[in-house]
Amino acid sequence: SQTIHQWPATLVQPVGSPLSLECTVEGTSNPNLYWYRQAAGRGLQLLFYSIGIDQISSEVPQNLSASRPQDRQFILSSKKLLLSDSGFYLCAWSLTSRSTDTQYFGPGTRLTVL
Amino acid sequence: AQKITQTQPGMFVQEKETVTLDCTYDTSDPSYGLFWYKQPSSGEMIFLIYQGSYDQQNATEGRYSLNFQKARKSANLVISASHLGDSAMYFCAMRDRGQNFVFGPGTRLSVLP
Repeated sequence: SQTIHQWPATLVQPVGSPLSLECTVEGTSNPNLYWYRQAAGRGLQLLFYSIGIDQISSEVPQNLSASRPQDRQFILSSKKLLLSDSGFYLCAWSLTSRSTDTQYFGPGTRLTVL
Repeated sequence: AQKITQTQPGMFVQEKETVTLDCTYDTSDPSYGLFWYKQPSSGEMIFLIYQGSYDQQNATEGRYSLNFQKARKSANLVISASHLGDSAMYFCAMRDRGQNFVFGPGTRLSVLP
């Protein structure tokens, strides 16, 4: 069966510091991968999605970037964090982009920028 | 453009009773999927149930069922025999062909003892 991991689970970072969040999926090949952000008490905002290695699309212009160095690894990065980057970051995967395919989420990373 | 509406920011239900969470959607694509997720206070997003646009019958998964009314573009989640562990945020989502998921703003369900 497939599993999805995220780390770290929680992170407290000062403004202006770099960021690296990691997501890995096990038990499937060439999944679609997604990064979402959820502000406190709000819905999900899609940040990036990837349909394959080196195929990454950005949904929202910001100071964040994403990379996919391996088939089942998705990394969210920033060179300089802003206060507004605080939130709950969720990674998700799906088999394909078909309308019938469910997205499955990782446990999330709670980021606080001070 | 795709859009999901959840008009109930918060709902209360008595333990053991049935509750319906509303979801309406908008898409011009005849082929789409509708999904419901549960997000407890721990933050994880748990997939509950799926309904395809061409499915003839309403989806059911244990205590969860989806009241799918295609003409009205609604996909309401019905939770029967509620228990305290059902207290959480619930998100409705849609995906049509080649597109990413679109999520609604969510409904916070509180189950009362």
